[in-house]
Amino acid sequence: DAGITQSPRHKVTETGTPVTLRCHQTENHRYMYWYRQDPGHGLRLIHYSYGVKDTDKGEVSDGYSVSRSKTEDFLLTLESATSSQTSVYFCAISETGGPWPQHFGDGTRLSIL
Amino acid sequence: GESVGLHLPTLSVQEGDNSIINCAYSNSASDYFIWYKQESGKGPQFIIDIRSNMDKRQGQRVTVLLNKTVKHLSLQIAATQPGDSAVYFCAERDRHSASKLTFGTGTRLQVTL
Repeated sequence: DAGITQSPRHKVTETGTPVTLRCHQTENHRYMYWYRQDPGHGLRLIHYSYGVKDTDKGEVSDGYSVSRSKTEDFLLTLESATSSQTSVYFCAISETGGPWPQHFGDGTRLSIL
Repeated sequence: GESVGLHLPTLSVQEGDNSIINCAYSNSASDYFIWYKQESGKGPQFIIDIRSNMDKRQGQRVTVLLNKTVKHLSLQIAATQPGDSAVYFCAERDRHSASKLTFGTGTRLQVTL
């Protein structure tokens, strides 16, 4: 299995609080992604990174920010969490510089009350 | 096929039989199609991809067929095993936006003994 670690694996927090999710990879892959998965929806891209300090928005980026200061770490921040951001969040990596994620972490289940 | 609402379509297959999981897509500009497997509580796993200029691609125990005329994709699993039980979903990539994948919601495959 590819070395992808997401932390925390579960989190419950209150509306309005800031939340940061961490993704750590040991594969030295260039591309990293954050997705959310909700019932009735396919995976939706929040943000992705194509290198250190190089990031871009996905289709559901509102309310989220990301940072990548090292190749191995990709952080997702909810500046002020809302109940609509309750979801399962997946980090993914790609080794080829292309175009779709090939390895996913096991997810972070985030509940915002 | 793709699901509507919160209930995934389920395919029940006996161990040893072949499984066929279907996916419809709508974007004529899609240039790649990808299949993923997601086991309960885990992140998705990449299975196989196919370029839009191909009709068929084979992997280990899996075959993907692409019918561009009717915008239909299928994943065939040979000699289905209990470990194949999972949710399978397809994704398509828009050739005009390399980072944009559109994911389906998936089909649940249940392997009975």
